[in-house]
Amino acid sequence: NAGVTQTPKFRVLKTGQSMTLLCAQDMNHEYMYWYRQDPGMGLRLIHYSVGEGTTAKGEVPDGYNVSRLKKQNFLLGLESAAPSQTSVYFCASSYGGGNQPQHFGDGTRLSIL
Amino acid sequence: AQSVTQLDSHVSVSEGTPVLLRCNYSSSYSPSLFWYVQHPNKGLQLLLKYTSAATLVKGINGFEAEFKKSETSFHLTKPSAHMSDAAEYFCVVSVGNSGYNKLIFGAGTRLAVHP
Repeated sequence: NAGVTQTPKFRVLKTGQSMTLLCAQDMNHEYMYWYRQDPGMGLRLIHYSVGEGTTAKGEVPDGYNVSRLKKQNFLLGLESAAPSQTSVYFCASSYGGGNQPQHFGDGTRLSIL
Repeated sequence: AQSVTQLDSHVSVSEGTPVLLRCNYSSSYSPSLFWYVQHPNKGLQLLLKYTSAATLVKGINGFEAEFKKSETSFHLTKPSAHMSDAAEYFCVVSVGNSGYNKLIFGAGTRLAVHP
């Protein structure tokens, strides 16, 4: 079972460059999420989607955009990378909302120089 | 406002001894609570969840947690630590009973297990 797959696993960018992180899930989940993890701060929600074609802002959306063109994929874009966006990014998915647990990918470690 | 406080940033135990990771929560609603574990360079894995059924919740790998409403606590325990338990543990509260469930994460507790 692949579950939630994130690509790439590592990336180094220069300030001002753009890139897209890809998340794919094979569990037919409706809900998908992008988080960032920084030391001592747990995970913070960037954007989320409650179904194909929908997206919404989370806790820390500035500097990021997302798209959910297909149910199984959720893309996170950085249009102009900044050093403050150096972080580990996690994608997650869940069958529904409410108290449904979220299933996480292994993360993308992103460094902005 | 909803929040989660993990009372210890680091816990160190010897193999074979009990584990206690402490978590207090604040929620205006009847909360759903989770414990996740994160091994190095891995994503978060669900250990257990509380959703207003039994107050003592059993999870994977011998872990369990007890929901105590009067103390607003949801501490994670294991009777006997194993070396493979060394990881970071996150207490999480889910707010919202319909639609999108917002997860609020604690800052994490790093568990070290010594031989």
